[in-house]
Amino acid sequence: QSVLTQPPSASGTPGQRVTISCSGSSSNIGNNAVTWYQQFPGTAPKLLIYSNDQRPSGVPDRFSGSKSGTSASLAITGLQSEDEADYHCAAWDDSLSGYVFGTGTRVTVL
Amino acid sequence: QVQLVQSGSELKNPGSSVTVSCKASGYTFTRNAINWVRQAPGQGLEWMGWINTNTGNPTYAQGFTGRFVFSLDTSVSTAYLQISSLKAEDTAVYYCARDGSYQVKFNYYYYMDVWGKGTTVTVPS
Repeated sequence: QSVLTQPPSASGTPGQRVTISCSGSSSNIGNNAVTWYQQFPGTAPKLLIYSNDQRPSGVPDRFSGSKSGTSASLAITGLQSEDEADYHCAAWDDSLSGYVFGTGTRVTVL
Repeated sequence: QVQLVQSGSELKNPGSSVTVSCKASGYTFTRNAINWVRQAPGQGLEWMGWINTNTGNPTYAQGFTGRFVFSLDTSVSTAYLQISSLKAEDTAVYYCARDGSYQVKFNYYYYMDVWGKGTTVTVPS
């Protein structure tokens, strides 16, 4: 069962800005960095954002992450059709001594 | 380049066992832990635990003790996940993922950076 809460869906038209929220608690997001993964249907998750706001090489700068308190957000600016995918947040949980994931958000490009 | 290559899909009878392999290449295997993550059909990601590739010490998440075993063969840079007494609810895609966590002064930054393509395990009911 997921410990971090995300909206099940988000959508936008090409070029728009879309944000996805990820809500946790003091034992996870409140005390540890957040990671975001992108997953296309039938494929493995891919690292998108780590350490709250860091992009691995090769990830377009239209993807950005932020964190405040026990919540985090992923923003996609200049939405493109190829951004249509599932997005998962994750963080280390000190109480569970392990990783916890979000419920996942499907982004649709209208 | 860094990659994790997993074994192929498995169709198993209830009560049997399955072993999923995860072969690493492109980096020094013993420098990064290997995580295991489960994704049931239509569901989110669930962390199963990890194995320290330097010591071989496994850590299992709640709900993944008893029937689940992580192991290594460092001579071939491969991690294994064995599931015994398979049940229909074990039907899922199982991913291995390299741990990319690092420490800066007194702060730890936890994340998984490279993922295998996943292994589908199907257990009919």
